[in-house]
Amino acid sequence: QSVLTQPPSVSGARGQRVTIPCTGSRANIGAGYDVQWYQQLPGAAPRLLIYGNSNRPSGVPERFSASKSGTSASLAISGLQAEDEADYYCQSYDRTSYVFGTGTKVTVL
Amino acid sequence: EVHLVESGGGLVQPGRSLTLSCAASGFTFDDYAMHWVRQAPGKGLEWVSGVSWNSGTIAYANSVKGRFTISRDNARSSLFLHMSNLRAEDTAFYYCVKDPRYRAMLLGYFDPWGQGTLVTVSS
Repeated sequence: QSVLTQPPSVSGARGQRVTIPCTGSRANIGAGYDVQWYQQLPGAAPRLLIYGNSNRPSGVPERFSASKSGTSASLAISGLQAEDEADYYCQSYDRTSYVFGTGTKVTVL
Repeated sequence: EVHLVESGGGLVQPGRSLTLSCAASGFTFDDYAMHWVRQAPGKGLEWVSGVSWNSGTIAYANSVKGRFTISRDNARSSLFLHMSNLRAEDTAFYYCVKDPRYRAMLLGYFDPWGQGTLVTVSS
């Protein structure tokens, strides 16, 4: 069972901004461990979207941004596009183990 | 370009063993930690195990500790996961993933990911 909680789904119209929260605890995000975000398109392997709380790897569009505060983190997608329809997972560290969020499906209306 | 190609998945009976392999290319394999992450069909991601660049640090998820063994062969740029006493709940896609930080040990992240190999545990 995941120790990082995300809403099962979020949706938005093309061009809108959506945010995905990732709620942890003092044992993981609140302990100061970095948060990463991954995007998983249908039928594909996950890919890294954000690392070190708010850094984008090369090739990731600027419309993806993220932040961390206290025991939570969030991913924002601005100017939502059809190709952003995917599952999104946060990831951090908890005591002796890497942990993932429960995952959020983003639907573009 | 980094390539990670998993192999060895398939159908296996409960209680039996299976070994997964991951062939890496496009980078200096022995400078990076490697991990296995799994995903049950239609479910979320679960970290399984990781090994540091020199095999000096190895870690396992509690769910597989004592049953799975991770190893690497730097001379062959290969990562392995030996799975024993398999259970139905081990059914999943198993992804080979790289920690992109040079000679880092822990507290890392995963980039890139292989395409995965499916392990099905069923009688």
